[in-house]
Amino acid sequence: QLQLQESGPGLVKPSETLSLICTVSGGSISSSSYYWGWIRQPPGKGLEWIGSMYYSGSTYYNPSLKSRVTISLDTSKNQFSLKLSSVTAADTAVYYCARHIDTSGYQPYYFDYWGQGTLVTVSS
Amino acid sequence: DIVMAQSPDSLAVSLGERATINCKSSQSVLYNSNNKNYLAWYQQKPGQPPKLLIYWASTRESGVPDRFSGSGSGTDFTLSISSLQAEDVAVYYCQQYYNTPWTFGQGTKVEIK
Repeated sequence: QLQLQESGPGLVKPSETLSLICTVSGGSISSSSYYWGWIRQPPGKGLEWIGSMYYSGSTYYNPSLKSRVTISLDTSKNQFSLKLSSVTAADTAVYYCARHIDTSGYQPYYFDYWGQGTLVTVSS
Repeated sequence: DIVMAQSPDSLAVSLGERATINCKSSQSVLYNSNNKNYLAWYQQKPGQPPKLLIYWASTRESGVPDRFSGSGSGTDFTLSISSLQAEDVAVYYCQQYYNTPWTFGQGTKVEIK
C-alpha cells in the first residue's frame, strides 16, 4: 500500500523559506504514470494545488505561486520536496503531498493517494 | 483559470436519504477527442486528507461504496449519495483536471439532519 508522509518545520518566520519533504513508501517515485504533487489548505478553507513534478523533471506550477515555488525529487531517497520562498501569513496552511495520476503521458489528472498533511504556520 | 463553483455550501440530510451536491465549471471540462469529462470528486473528513471518490466524472475509485455516484457533462456535474450513512459526514470537493492550474470547488459540507 502506497504511503506518503510530510515532514518539516511547523513554524516559519515571515519572509523566510518554507521547506517540506514528502517521503514515499510502498512504491517508487520513479514510476511512470505518476507525478508527485503538493496541495495546501488554509485553516477552515478549501484546497489549492501548488505544483507537481515527474521523475523525468517535467514540472507544473500554479501560476499564482510559481515565482516562489520549487519542487524537486530525490529518487535515491524516494522523496520529493517543496520550497516556498518569501512566505507571509497568507501561506499558513496544512500542506499535503499527493500522487498525481498521469495515464496519458500528456498531463497529470487527479490525486489518488495523499499524505496526512502537516500544518505550517507563518509567524514571527 | 477554470473556476469550480459548488452548491450548496452545506446541506443536512436524514440518515438513509439522498444527498446531492452540484459542481459547475466556468468552462467545459469535456475533452471532445475522447469524450471524457476531466472531473474528480473527493471526500474530506475532519482531521483527514481528502480521499478520491470518483474520477472521469462518474468512475468510482476502487473500494468506494456504490451509494456514491457521479454524473454530468460539460460544465454541470453532480455527486449523489443514495442513502446517507453516518460515516458520510464530511466536506466534498470537486476538482477539474482539464487544464492547469488544476482547481477545486470551495467544498460542500454534508451533515446529518
